[in-house]
Amino acid sequence: DTAVSQTPKYLVTQMGNDKSIKCEQNLGHDTMYWYKQDSKKFLKIMFSYNNKELIINETVPNRFSPKSPDKAHLNLHINSLELGDSAVYFCASSHTASTGELFFGEGSRLTVL
Amino acid sequence: GENVEQHPSTLSVQEGDSAVIKCTYSDSASNYFPWYKQELGKGPQLIIDIRSNVGEKKDQRIAVTLNKTAKHFSLHITETQPEDSAVYFCAAKRNSGYALNFGKGTSLLVTP
Repeated sequence: DTAVSQTPKYLVTQMGNDKSIKCEQNLGHDTMYWYKQDSKKFLKIMFSYNNKELIINETVPNRFSPKSPDKAHLNLHINSLELGDSAVYFCASSHTASTGELFFGEGSRLTVL
Repeated sequence: GENVEQHPSTLSVQEGDSAVIKCTYSDSASNYFPWYKQELGKGPQLIIDIRSNVGEKKDQRIAVTLNKTAKHFSLHITETQPEDSAVYFCAAKRNSGYALNFGKGTSLLVTP
C-alpha cells in the first residue's frame, strides 16, 4: 500500500489550461504539504494544511489553489498554466504540524508547452 | 525566513571512500535538521535527522553532526556503495506552523 499517493504521475498540457493534481495519504497524518521541485532540483514549500486548515501559504501566485476536503486528501488546482509552472510537484504528509519527518509521494511531473 | 545553504552541489567518490556534505542555516530558532535522499524518479526519503539538543547522531554508515553555535550541520557517509548514489538534501525547521526548508541538494555519485 502506497503511503502518499499522487495522481497523475505525468501531466503534459498547453499554456493557459487549468489542471489539477490529487494527493491522498493513508498514514493517518494530520498535516499535508505541497512542494515544488524545479529543474535544478530545488524543493520549495508551497502550502501546508493541518486538519483541513491552511497553515502555510508561501509566496505562490494565486493561480495555484489548494483544497483539502479532509485530512487525508490535499489537491492542487492550477489555473492559466504558464511555461514556468513546469516542474515536479510533490505532496507530503507529517504526523502533526510540529513533527519533523515528512513522507513524500512519488511526484507529479507537470510539463507546460 | 530560513535560508539553508548546502555544499557541494555535486560530489563524486570511489566506492569505499567517505562522503561529506555540509549545510549552514540562518534562523537561530531552527531546532530540527533532517537529511533526505532522493533517488531518480522518486520522492525524497528521510535517512537521518538530528534535533538541536544533540550534537551528533549515527545510524550504521550514516552520521550527522550539528554545531548550533556556528549554525552548521553535516552528513557523513562512510564505506560508500554504488547504491548510495542519489541526490541528498539537508533541511531545517522551526516549531509548528513553519515549513521544512531545504538546501539545494548534493548529487552524489559513487563509482565502483
